Amino acid sequence: DAGVTQSPTHLIKTRGQQVTLRCSPKSGHDTVSWYQQALGQGPQFIFQYYEEEERQRGNFPDRFSGHQFPNYSSELNVNALLLGDSALYLCASSFQGSDEQYFGPGTRLTVT
Amino acid sequence: QQQVKQSPQSLIVQKGGISIINCAYENTAFDYFPWYQQFPGKGPALLIAIRPDVSEKKEGRFTISFNKSAKQFSLHIMDSQPGDSATYFCAASTLSGYSTLTFGKGTMLLVSP
Repeated sequence: DAGVTQSPTHLIKTRGQQVTLRCSPKSGHDTVSWYQQALGQGPQFIFQYYEEEERQRGNFPDRFSGHQFPNYSSELNVNALLLGDSALYLCASSFQGSDEQYFGPGTRLTVT
Repeated sequence: QQQVKQSPQSLIVQKGGISIINCAYENTAFDYFPWYQQFPGKGPALLIAIRPDVSEKKEGRFTISFNKSAKQFSLHIMDSQPGDSATYFCAASTLSGYSTLTFGKGTMLLVSP
């Protein structure tokens, strides 16, 4: 039973560029949440997708957008990258109505 | 505004000792309290979780103690081992059906041999 997978593992981008991160949820899960974890901090909620719609959003600007596909996988897009966007981006999956969230290994994004 | 406050920031415990990490929350709508363990370069792994209808939950060497009136909860790691050395995060969410987690800032635990 595969857990949550994310790609790529690492990514280096230049300020002003755009980036797309990908996530496949744990088998049987239908809800995907994205979190940003800055160095030395706890993860911060970005948004959550269920039934291909964004249904909850944290305190992040519109430069952060996402998508969920019919197979429940998800993408996180960040436009106009800033140096402060450098962080570990985590995807978590869950089953709708359940509190338990399972995290993937994350994508380390470095913006130079 | 930090809704979940975690302490201490770092902790050193000798092998075989008890590690204790504390969290306090402000939002009384929180009703699910998980703890996550994170090793360097890895994503957080769900360790143990509790709901406010019980005051304690134990799974192996890990115990959560919950004090609803004080709005505090803590993680106890009994017989701490070097392999427990990691960063631990407390978190909280509401039973809104959407379950978005609010995390503490983390505690870096080092268990010395």
